[in-house]
Amino acid sequence: KQEVTQIPAALSVPEGENLVLNCSFTDSAIYNLQWFRQDPGKGLTSLLLIQSSQREQTSGRLNASLDKSSGRSTLYIAASQPGDSATYLCALKRSGNQFYFGTGTSLTVIP
Amino acid sequence: DGGITQSPKYLFRKEGQNVTLSCEQNLNHDAMYWYRQDPGQGLRLIYYSQIVNDFQKGDIAEGYSVSREKKESFPLTVTSAQKNPTAFYLCASSNHRGSSGNTIYFGEGSWLTVV
Repeated sequence: KQEVTQIPAALSVPEGENLVLNCSFTDSAIYNLQWFRQDPGKGLTSLLLIQSSQREQTSGRLNASLDKSSGRSTLYIAASQPGDSATYLCALKRSGNQFYFGTGTSLTVIP
Repeated sequence: DGGITQSPKYLFRKEGQNVTLSCEQNLNHDAMYWYRQDPGQGLRLIYYSQIVNDFQKGDIAEGYSVSREKKESFPLTVTSAQKNPTAFYLCASSNHRGSSGNTIYFGEGSWLTVV
């Protein structure tokens, strides 16, 4: 079974700092990897999608990378802002239309 | 606007009652999913459906039931057999065709509390 790990579980940084969130997975046979943001008591909002043939995707201050051989993805957030405070989850899609989610990293950006 | 609508946002259940959570999508997606999220934990798959009139059990299907009579709708019933139903429930859908294929989208979630 696919295992998806996100470390650390929680992270606090001062405003303006660049930061990296990590997502590790055990099986490299994936279709794609998606990063989500979840605010307290809300659903998940998709941030970036990386297809298995791609190495990275960028959207504004966010950059996600994928290295299937090492079973790792990172989400880079540049110039963090208090509004970035949320839980960030990664999810993998494999065959059979099933998605596998990490447990998330809770990010707090301190003004 | 296109999206996934879950209702109600908050629901209270008495012991021994069945309750149904609604999920409607207007994204024309074939696949729909129900997840349960407990505090500090990841998402666990309850049921999923890849096509109308077909659905499969996920990792924690016991005590839950679903139906998929229409493409747009995938209601989840939490039965009295579910002994610990208090949780946040998330409905999702995905499309496996086109340029956005394989992307999963989520509703805003429903909070269920047993009283």
